[in-house]
Amino acid sequence: EDQVTQSPEALRLQEGESSSLNCSYTVSGLRGLFWYRQDPGKGPEFLFTLYSAGEEKEKERLKATLTKKESFLHITAPKPEDSATYLCAVQILNSNDYKLSFGAGTTVTVRA
Amino acid sequence: ETGVTQTPRHLVMGMTNKKSLKCEQHLGHNAMYWYKQSAKKPLELMFVYNFKEQTENNSVPSRFSPECPNSSHLFLHLHTLQPEDSALYLCASSQDSGGYGYTFGSGTRLTVV
Repeated sequence: EDQVTQSPEALRLQEGESSSLNCSYTVSGLRGLFWYRQDPGKGPEFLFTLYSAGEEKEKERLKATLTKKESFLHITAPKPEDSATYLCAVQILNSNDYKLSFGAGTTVTVRA
Repeated sequence: ETGVTQTPRHLVMGMTNKKSLKCEQHLGHNAMYWYKQSAKKPLELMFVYNFKEQTENNSVPSRFSPECPNSSHLFLHLHTLQPEDSALYLCASSQDSGGYGYTFGSGTRLTVV
């Protein structure tokens, strides 16, 4: 059965304290792995898509990497405005539709 | 404001009521989705529409009834709900394989009393 697991569930950081979030997946075949950011009371906002092992994407203080079993979202020198829930999702290869299967998310709190 | 608009933002309904959630996308996408988000749980896919045709019904109870009159509009009709149906209901859209990611609306916070 396809599965997406995110860890830790919650992460509290001091401003400037770099850290990483993990997304491990077990799927029959990966078409793409997606990262989203969700602020309270809002819908998820698209960050990155990764397609193959070894691929990396960057956006400001965020960097996403992908291996054959997991993805990491690295937050470098975070600021309070990086506080949010970060969601990971996978899209299955050979699927006839475009659905994404999500993990439960990691809630990041950055203190000034 | 994103390219996907959901109304209402908040809804409180009794278990015997009938209500509808509305989603509209202004992005020219050809696929639309309903997801349910409960606290501490992964987003649960409910329905998928591709070119107005329903391609997935993820074992959703019949008290939830989707409608997609055209590729820009999506509705979720609700009737005889249970308290455990209280959640954030998210609409999303994508183009083709969704490789550029879904665009989500801000959601409707539903409370069933």
